[in-house]
Amino acid sequence: ILNVEQSPQSLHVQEGDSTNFTCSFPSSNFYALHWYRWETAKSPEALFVMTLNGDEKKKGRISATLNTKEGYSYLYIKGSQPEDSATYLCAFYSGGGADGLTFGKGTHLIIQP
Amino acid sequence: DSGVTQTPKHLITATGQRVTLRCSPRSGDLSVYWYQQSLDQGLQFLIQYYNGEERAKGNILERFSAQQFPDLHSELNLSSLELGDSALYFCASSVDGGARNTEAFFGQGTRLTVV
Repeated sequence: ILNVEQSPQSLHVQEGDSTNFTCSFPSSNFYALHWYRWETAKSPEALFVMTLNGDEKKKGRISATLNTKEGYSYLYIKGSQPEDSATYLCAFYSGGGADGLTFGKGTHLIIQP
Repeated sequence: DSGVTQTPKHLITATGQRVTLRCSPRSGDLSVYWYQQSLDQGLQFLIQYYNGEERAKGNILERFSAQQFPDLHSELNLSSLELGDSALYFCASSVDGGARNTEAFFGQGTRLTVV
C-alpha cells in the first residue's frame, strides 16, 4: 500500500503572507508527482506534474519543488490571496501504467483577510 | 470548466439498490479514471479504462463495476449498496494511459447518499 502524507492537515495564513506545505511519498519506484488545487464545490484542478528529481515548477505565485531521492515535494504560495483558499492535494504515481494516482488527504488552506 | 461531465450531480438511494454513474471525458482523452472520496479519506483510486479496455484496478469492491463505451464515455455501476458507500465519486480523464506526465482533468463529482 502506497503512503502519501501531506502536512499540515490545515493551515490559516494571513493575506499577503507566504506559506508552504509538504507532500511525502515513497522514494522507490517513483514516476510522477502531481499537485492539484481543489476549491469547495468545484473539481480538483491540476497545478503541476513533476517527474524529475530537482524539478521546480512555477505558475504565478505558486511554485513547487521535488526531491525524489528523499521522497518529498514542497508547494509554495507567495503573497497569499483570499482566492488561494482551497485544499491542495498531492498525488503520487508509481508507474508501470497499471495504477491510478495515489492521493494524499490534502492540506486545507484558509487565507484570512 | 474541465471538460469532464459527470451525471447525476447528486443521488440519494436506499440500501440494497443499484445505481449507475456516468462520465463523459474531455474531447480527445482516451483514459477515464474513477475515484471515491469518503469522509476523512483521500481520493481513492477505483479503476481505469483506456480506449475501451480496463487498464488498472485499485480498491474497487466486487459489488462495483465499470465500463467504457466506444464513444469513450464511462459508467460506474454500484450494486447492493450499503450505507458506507455514501461518498463523492469523481471521474477524471487524461490523454494517455499513464499518469506519468499528463495531468488528469476531473469532473465535478457525483455525491451519492445511501439511506
